[in-house]
Amino acid sequence: EDKVVQSPLSLVVHEGDTVTLNCSYEVTNFRSLLWYKQEKKAPTFLFMLTSSGIEKKSGRLSSILDKKELFSILNITATQTGDSAIYLCAGAGGTSYGKLTFGQGTILTVHP
Amino acid sequence: NAGVTQTPKFRVLKTGQSMTLLCAQDMNHEYMYWYRQDPGMGLRLIHYSVGEGTTAKGEVPDGYNVSRLKKQNFLLGLESAAPSQTSVYFCASRDILYEQYFGPGTRLTVT
Repeated sequence: EDKVVQSPLSLVVHEGDTVTLNCSYEVTNFRSLLWYKQEKKAPTFLFMLTSSGIEKKSGRLSSILDKKELFSILNITATQTGDSAIYLCAGAGGTSYGKLTFGQGTILTVHP
Repeated sequence: NAGVTQTPKFRVLKTGQSMTLLCAQDMNHEYMYWYRQDPGMGLRLIHYSVGEGTTAKGEVPDGYNVSRLKKQNFLLGLESAAPSQTSVYFCASRDILYEQYFGPGTRLTVT
């Protein structure tokens, strides 16, 4: 059975701090690792990582995948209160229907 | 484009009642999914569809049924609601890539 585990489950920081969110996975016929940000409603897509060792960046957010050790990290530098959200990672396996297996999520709270 | 929309946004049911949640997407996506989200458990797949007229079971299908009569719509039905089905339900769709686009969710409470 496919499994994705995120850590920590929750994190409280102050504005300006840098955070690292972790995601480990065991996904049959692994294809990609996806990160989503969920504020009050729908998860919104952040990154999709397919190749090991290649960092993806978007502003203060960056992510990297290690396919040998089966994990990914999401870094957020100079955090802002608007970064407060649940961060979800998901592993995409090689099924015909593009199944995503989600982790439990990391609840990030950024205080002013 | 409205993207993925869901109706209703909120609903309260009594045990044993039935209801249908509607998901609509205007991106011409072939694949559609229904998830439920419970605290500390991430998103779990209920049912999915790989195209019009097709449906299949996901990870937690018991107590739910689905239909995809039109490509743009994916309906999730609860025939006899139970308190264990209290949750937030998300619909999602995707095209060729693995990125799924999510609707705003339906918060369902079963008393």
